[in-house]
Amino acid sequence: GENVGLHLPTLSVQEGDNSIINCAYSNSASDYFIWYKQESGKGPQFIIDIRSNMDKRQGQRVTVLLNKTVKHLSLQIAATQPGDSAVYFCAENMHYGGSQGNLIFGKGTKLSVKP
Amino acid sequence: DVKVTQSSRYLVKRTGEKVFLECVQDMDHENMFWYRQDPGLGLRLIYFSYDVKMKEKGDIPEGYSVSREKKERFSLILESASTNQTSMYLCASISPGQGTEAFFGQGTRLTVV
Repeated sequence: GENVGLHLPTLSVQEGDNSIINCAYSNSASDYFIWYKQESGKGPQFIIDIRSNMDKRQGQRVTVLLNKTVKHLSLQIAATQPGDSAVYFCAENMHYGGSQGNLIFGKGTKLSVKP
Repeated sequence: DVKVTQSSRYLVKRTGEKVFLECVQDMDHENMFWYRQDPGLGLRLIYFSYDVKMKEKGDIPEGYSVSREKKERFSLILESASTNQTSMYLCASISPGQGTEAFFGQGTRLTVV
């Protein structure tokens, strides 16, 4: 079946370095992708999104890259800070029946930032 | 400020009990979802609803049911709780016409003993 998954379950980086979190998806019909950050004890929070007609989108310290050829999504965090330590999920938007907005999530990558 | 509110942060229930998890959103969103989150498995979709009184099964609906009597409220029901339903439950809502970003509640940690 089609799925969204992550290449690395854990990632440890030094404070100030850049982080790259990867995600593979297999549903070619998905047209919208989102990255979420989940801190301990909280629900997931939106970070950045990208539509399938784009290759790159930048936010504040974060950049999402979409490679539709190989069905790959990445989240880049510049100058990683201790507050970035969390689990990061990618999600794809699948259209299900007549509805929109059915999000399928990957398993998550835990980012640990070393001081 | 957008808000999705789950009625409880922590619940402890006994095996066989009927359990209700409530979720309310104040954004007038059409789509609402229930996920469970387990270590190593990520977020798995249980049920979702895209309109009042409408419901669709997600990936793991067995042992659960849902109710959507009003647009703002989406309830998850465990008819007879079992220990394998011990998990973190997350509710989310989306408005299809606004980019489909999902807003999540804070989660309910359910323990079935």
